[in-house]
Amino acid sequence: DVKVTQSSRYLVKRTGEKVFLECVQDMDHENMFWYRQDPGLGLRLIYFSYDVKMKEKGDIPEGYSVSREKKERFSLILESASTNQTSMYLCASRLQGGVSPLHFGNGTRLTVT
Amino acid sequence: GEDVEQSLFLSVREGDSSVINCTYTDSSSTYLYWYKQEPGAGLQLLTYIFSNMDMKQDQRLTVLLNKKDKHLSLRIADTQTGDSAIYFCAVMDTGRRALTFGSGTRLQVQP
Repeated sequence: DVKVTQSSRYLVKRTGEKVFLECVQDMDHENMFWYRQDPGLGLRLIYFSYDVKMKEKGDIPEGYSVSREKKERFSLILESASTNQTSMYLCASRLQGGVSPLHFGNGTRLTVT
Repeated sequence: GEDVEQSLFLSVREGDSSVINCTYTDSSSTYLYWYKQEPGAGLQLLTYIFSNMDMKQDQRLTVLLNKKDKHLSLRIADTQTGDSAIYFCAVMDTGRRALTFGSGTRLQVQP
């Protein structure tokens, strides 16, 4: 069974702090994704990565960056957290190509005060 | 880019059928998915359909795809209280190989 693990379930940070959200998958998946989930807006794609050292902007990359130094780990970085980044963050991974579905972690609920 | 739309809420009685609808804009989408999210959890894949299919059945779940109207539906037969969750429609963006999600439909099952 694929396991996608997000390091924190809940985080509370202050405005202006640098925040790291970590995600690890154990199935050697090439592709990894960060989404944020907000009520009524569904999931919106922030960044994704096709493979190690690769990264692509999603639909809402502003205020975020990512790092993929190892295949199993994909980190989301909030350079200077703001209150409008309070949200649920979901990490996902998939095998390259075809119908391979996304496998999701349980999410990190981030509150920025 | 791709746009995926769903209604936000559906309420049914236990034992009835539920039908959750979704529309999308990109006619070149090749794979379409339904995910389920229970409270406090991530998203779990329920089923998927290729764009060259009209229908797919998997136990209590039936997926219907109308490519002409760009309309996807998920039917849950004999709906149970355990089916209460948020259901997301998602479409593969073939250019980016990423999924675009709808806003999610909250299904409430009344006993």
